[in-house]
Amino acid sequence: AQSVTQPDIHITVSEGASLELRCNYSYGATPYLFWYVQSPGQGLQLLLKYFSGDTLVQGIKGFEAEFKRSQSSFNLRKPSVHWSDAAEYFCAVGARSNTGKLIFGQGTTLQVKP
Amino acid sequence: DARVTQTPRDKVTEMGQEVTMRCQPILGHNTVFWYRQTMMQGLELLAYFRNRAPLDDSGMPKDRFSAEMPDATLATLKIQPSEPRDSAVYFCASGLGQGAGDTQYFGPGTRLTVL
Repeated sequence: AQSVTQPDIHITVSEGASLELRCNYSYGATPYLFWYVQSPGQGLQLLLKYFSGDTLVQGIKGFEAEFKRSQSSFNLRKPSVHWSDAAEYFCAVGARSNTGKLIFGQGTTLQVKP
Repeated sequence: DARVTQTPRDKVTEMGQEVTMRCQPILGHNTVFWYRQTMMQGLELLAYFRNRAPLDDSGMPKDRFSAEMPDATLATLKIQPSEPRDSAVYFCASGLGQGAGDTQYFGPGTRLTVL
């Protein structure tokens, strides 16, 4: 069965420090992978997505993610975190049914210390 | 800047009352998804539509929830009767219907509180 695991429920980093949020997926073929961000009181916004090709994907707000097939991972990174990055981050995989349905992970809450 | 809109943004009601939430998908999008978000369960898919037809509503409690798309510009989610356990944030999202790689665009959500 398809699934997405985000091992870290909550992460705290200092402003200016680097960030890596982990995402592992279970999927029988090459997946479509997504990272969404949810700021407090807001809906989810797409940060980036991976379909095929270059395994390092650039997104909005200075984020990037790397697809590693051998590790079934799609970790999100940012070299220098800003206070405004404090939010909840969701990793998702496109369902094999080809309906556009997404399977979301449980989310990682990012707290940024001044 | 095209956006998904949802109304109302906040709703407080009493147990047993009917609740209707509305969503206007982005013009030209032909898939609509309804999600419920709670602290305990996270983000749950309730139902989704393509070209106004329901594709799957297995995530929805059938006895009290119903979802419809009266036309291409409006999706509704109704709860009747509402219960305190329905308290959550309900999100609508729309997409172009491009299959597994489709991006979903989320609305701001409706925060429902059932007393």
